[in-house]
Amino acid sequence: EAGVAQSPRYKIIEKRQSVAFWCNPISGHATLYWYQQILGQGPKLLIQFQNNGVVDDSQLPKDRFSAERLKGVDSTLKIQPAKLEDSAVYLCASSYWYEQYFGPGTRLTVT
Amino acid sequence: QKEVEQDPGPLSVPEGAIVSLNCTYSNSAFQYFMWYRQYSRKGPELLMYTYSSGNKEDGRFTAQVDKSSKYISLFIRDSQPSDSATYLCAMSPNAGGTSYGKLTFGQGTILTVHP
Repeated sequence: EAGVAQSPRYKIIEKRQSVAFWCNPISGHATLYWYQQILGQGPKLLIQFQNNGVVDDSQLPKDRFSAERLKGVDSTLKIQPAKLEDSAVYLCASSYWYEQYFGPGTRLTVT
Repeated sequence: QKEVEQDPGPLSVPEGAIVSLNCTYSNSAFQYFMWYRQYSRKGPELLMYTYSSGNKEDGRFTAQVDKSSKYISLFIRDSQPSDSATYLCAMSPNAGGTSYGKLTFGQGTILTVHP
């Protein structure tokens, strides 16, 4: 079974630029999550999708972050404009039931 | 006060030692308790999953939950160098329908097992 795929793996941008991350979940997993993991901290949930509908986006900074999940499969997370404090690893996860399967993450550095 | 507190360590032990990792929490709504292992530059992977209070054993790993004290533990017996990783506790309120997966993580404990 293929795992959760994410791209790119690394990204370096300057503040005020925009960036987008892509996630392909495990086939058949209806629930998809985006997490932000700042160095030395645990992952923090940004947004949760059930199929292509948003279940929870209470911790998503909506003035600069946006996410979509078209056709209930792949998802993109966008940051525009980026700030220095957005430097983190962005993890995508998917689940069929309670167990979440994580991708390798995208490491974002904002300079 | 954070909802979930975890000692970040780092923790360094010799091979074969018994390791104890702990988390405390403040939200009494948490019912599902998990431990994830995260290797460097990888995503977390689920190690143990328990519901409510009690113990669960899986090979060298034992998870304990004490809801009365709002305290959970993970024990690793006969630790191996391959156990070197960051261990994250995670918790979720009573699951149902789309409530699955609203996990709150601790900050992680960095463990090194040296030969």
